[in-house]
Amino acid sequence: DAGVIQSPRHEVTEMGQEVTLRCKPISGHDYLFWYRQTMMRGLELLIYFNNNVPIDDSGMPEDRFSAKMPNASFSTLKIQPSEPRDSAVYFCASSLEGSPGELFFGEGSRLTVL
Amino acid sequence: KNEVEQSPQNLTAQEGEFITINCSYSVGISALHWLQQHPGGGIVSLFMLSSGKKKHGRLIATINIQEKHSSLHITASHPRDSAVYICAVWRGYGGSQGNLIFGKGTKLSVKP
Repeated sequence: DAGVIQSPRHEVTEMGQEVTLRCKPISGHDYLFWYRQTMMRGLELLIYFNNNVPIDDSGMPEDRFSAKMPNASFSTLKIQPSEPRDSAVYFCASSLEGSPGELFFGEGSRLTVL
Repeated sequence: KNEVEQSPQNLTAQEGEFITINCSYSVGISALHWLQQHPGGGIVSLFMLSSGKKKHGRLIATINIQEKHSSLHITASHPRDSAVYICAVWRGYGGSQGNLIFGKGTKLSVKP
């Protein structure tokens, strides 16, 4: 398997623009997680899905952030409108089992909002 | 106080030294993860523990549930072990609900 695939790897955009980050989990994994990493706050869980259903989105910073998982092989994290403080590396991870099981991370999407 | 505390924050060692990184947590958990993040930014899962001890090559992870403490040991350290090591705990709320809480990480540098 190719592992967790994220796109784009790098995104530079201007404040106010819409940003869409994409993730393809490992086939057969039931859990999908979106994380954000900044120098100030480290790694934070934003939202996670189990069998395509959002389970906990309490980590989503505000209404400008939304995430969807329309099927087992694809998820998006959208920021609209983007702000400079959203600049971070966004990681997607998947796991096979609950609690969760061993996590497999994508390579991350580095977002810069000017 | 953070729910997951790691120590030390930074660690410099000479090649060949035995290294210990500690993680203490203050919440009830169902699992603890040790992650490795290389300078390039990629994150790799090293261990997932719910009790006892696990070993993989030169890496050993232990957890004491009663004391809410875990350690990651690296034997015969090598410059390629230089990375940030992150402890994360899964706090379950019942069923499939829960939250993964991360420590701030320990930056390890192994000098040749």
